Amino acid sequence: QVQLQESGPGLVKPSETLSLICTVSDDSFSSFYWTWIRQSAGKGLEWIGRIYSTGNTNYNPSLKGRVTMSVDTSKNQFSLRLSSVTAADTAVYYCARDNSGTVPHFDNWGQGTLVTVAS
Amino acid sequence: SYVLTQPPSVSVAPGKTARISCGGDKIGSKTVHWYQQKPGLAPVLVIHYDTDRPSGIPERFSGANSGNTATLTISRVEAGDEADYYCQVWDGSGLLVVFGGGTKLTVL
Repeated sequence: QVQLQESGPGLVKPSETLSLICTVSDDSFSSFYWTWIRQSAGKGLEWIGRIYSTGNTNYNPSLKGRVTMSVDTSKNQFSLRLSSVTAADTAVYYCARDNSGTVPHFDNWGQGTLVTVAS
Repeated sequence: SYVLTQPPSVSVAPGKTARISCGGDKIGSKTVHWYQQKPGLAPVLVIHYDTDRPSGIPERFSGANSGNTATLTISRVEAGDEADYYCQVWDGSGLLVVFGGGTKLTVL
């Protein structure tokens, strides 16, 4: 069973950068796309972006260039950086495995981590 | 960008059939996936590739996709099916994943 675990600060100040890491237990880590998804309180799911083991990325245009993802295949980890955060970025952040790069969908998820943006 | 429209809520009595719609322009030409999310938990994939059930998902869950509407059907609804349900597609033109707004299924 694939396991994913998010880690990072639970509180970030406005205008600063949110940084999260997802650690994956998957022997096939290098064969999949890895994704970040967030969910504001009481709201729906929002796809942030994805990264492949080669470093190839796709980002949600709505986040207007504030997103950067990176991958470390030696540690089976991938990370998210979201800059210039505001209260609107307060959400539960999930990392997930994209089961198919060409028809993206998510068959394994982390438990999620709440990130609050506040001073 | 591509928009998926779901009803905010659906209610059904135990043992009956629940149908949750997901509307989008020519959605039948896209591949739809469905997720179930219970309070405080991460979403779980219940239907992928329009109609297929991942391992471990009961046969009571089924999917269809045609024209401008995709549908998740839950037969013989149980109390444990009460959850939020989200549809999802890949917008190949915009190169992004799109989720529907979610539907809260209430078991009466």
